[in-house]
Amino acid sequence: GAVVSQHPSWVICKSGTSVKIECRSLDFQATTMFWYRQFPKQSLMLMATSNEGSKATYEQGVEKDKFLINHASLTLSTLTVTSAHPEDSSFYICSARIWVTEAFFGQGTRLTVV
Amino acid sequence: RKEVEQDPGPFNVPEGATVAFNCTYSNSASQSFFWYRQDCRKEPKLLMSVYSSGNEDGRFTAQLNRASQYISLLIRDSKLSDSATYLCVVNSGGAGSYQLTFGKGTKLSVIP
Repeated sequence: GAVVSQHPSWVICKSGTSVKIECRSLDFQATTMFWYRQFPKQSLMLMATSNEGSKATYEQGVEKDKFLINHASLTLSTLTVTSAHPEDSSFYICSARIWVTEAFFGQGTRLTVV
Repeated sequence: RKEVEQDPGPFNVPEGATVAFNCTYSNSASQSFFWYRQDCRKEPKLLMSVYSSGNEDGRFTAQLNRASQYISLLIRDSKLSDSATYLCVVNSGGAGSYQLTFGKGTKLSVIP
């Protein structure tokens, strides 16, 4: 069964609106979660590392004011895409690692901004 | 040079064929290596870890050459269900790091 649950699986929103994506760890506590973005035929690109109880660490080129990350509990991290634009349309995936050998991914969220 | 590079593919092979995927990584300090499988519009799922001595899991064999910074995946007796994109993944953050770097993936289509 899934150990990381992501919601929603897909969303369509109007340009200028904000969208929140949730990532939950099931049956384990994740002090660190990761947010990735994947454009068609491209690799997963790490956007940010979400740390419980502290500020997220963003990768170079990722706007922290546009992609708001909150990791308020050990089982939930959220990514909010603010003032979404069509170029933000992508597949967003979260992950958490229980141990070094494997990362578990959420089901992904396909965002379409129209 | 990209951090993790893979054969661009796509690979179209008949059922029963043997297919090999190659991957190179740029960070010599990388500690952990993996092959993930990603089906269309789905999240990646771990196929197997890659160990220095090489490892096998059924029809799948993974090998690592640290000197050449090269990783491979061999699939024997391909099945239709093997059709997917195979991602080479490297933990490039050093020992104890949880940061993964993904290759672009190589798409495999197994044809009846």
